[in-house]
Amino acid sequence: DAKTTQPPSMDCAEGRAANLPCNHSTISGNEYVYWYRQIHSQGPQYIIHGLKNNETNEMASLIITEDRKSSTLILPHATLRDTAVYYCIVRVVISRKPPGSQGNLIFGKGTKLSVKP
Amino acid sequence: DAGITQSPRHKVTETGTPVTLRCHQTENHRYMYWYRQDPGHGLRLIHYSYGVKDTDKGEVSDGYSVSRSKTEDFLLTLESATSSQTSVYFCAITGTSSTDTQYFGPGTRLTVL
Repeated sequence: DAKTTQPPSMDCAEGRAANLPCNHSTISGNEYVYWYRQIHSQGPQYIIHGLKNNETNEMASLIITEDRKSSTLILPHATLRDTAVYYCIVRVVISRKPPGSQGNLIFGKGTKLSVKP
Repeated sequence: DAGITQSPRHKVTETGTPVTLRCHQTENHRYMYWYRQDPGHGLRLIHYSYGVKDTDKGEVSDGYSVSRSKTEDFLLTLESATSSQTSVYFCAITGTSSTDTQYFGPGTRLTVL
């Protein structure tokens, strides 16, 4: 799986948009971009994923650059409960094998987002 | 949130004792996973299951065994716990083979003295 680079920490004011960048310059054509977050002492939580196109769900938006070398996770209206460590991951999905069976889910160090009142 | 529970949530045990961790899901998902999370290592896959009685090893399976006799339950057993198995253990599930979206349980913090 390709390596990702994220800033170690970011602050965001409550109610404002939080834009979390991720660099994945060595991503290959069959690798998806996934975002998870982990609130202290809880299990990782899936947020969103994408391959080429921008994606949006009820939690966030994912903007992937045209060359796919970087992406941005956008939390449109951050709340205090969004304070967490956010992980950007790129993974190959092998359709003939069980999902996740290709091994470790390497979270790296992620970005610690602090949402402040 | 996906209906995943883990038990126990915390456990302290002694070296050499057997330990079983349970993961229970109410989503009827086919795929279930056990990970351990340690500082500096991210999440490492221990074992996974792609159906009842169908399991396979992950990257760090030594010292661990699993069983899945029902769709909803996936058990992780440490036959003889060692201090190196002190960790936070997460169970995850996914229901689709088309992507790799995994939903995690709350975790079990295991300390082996």
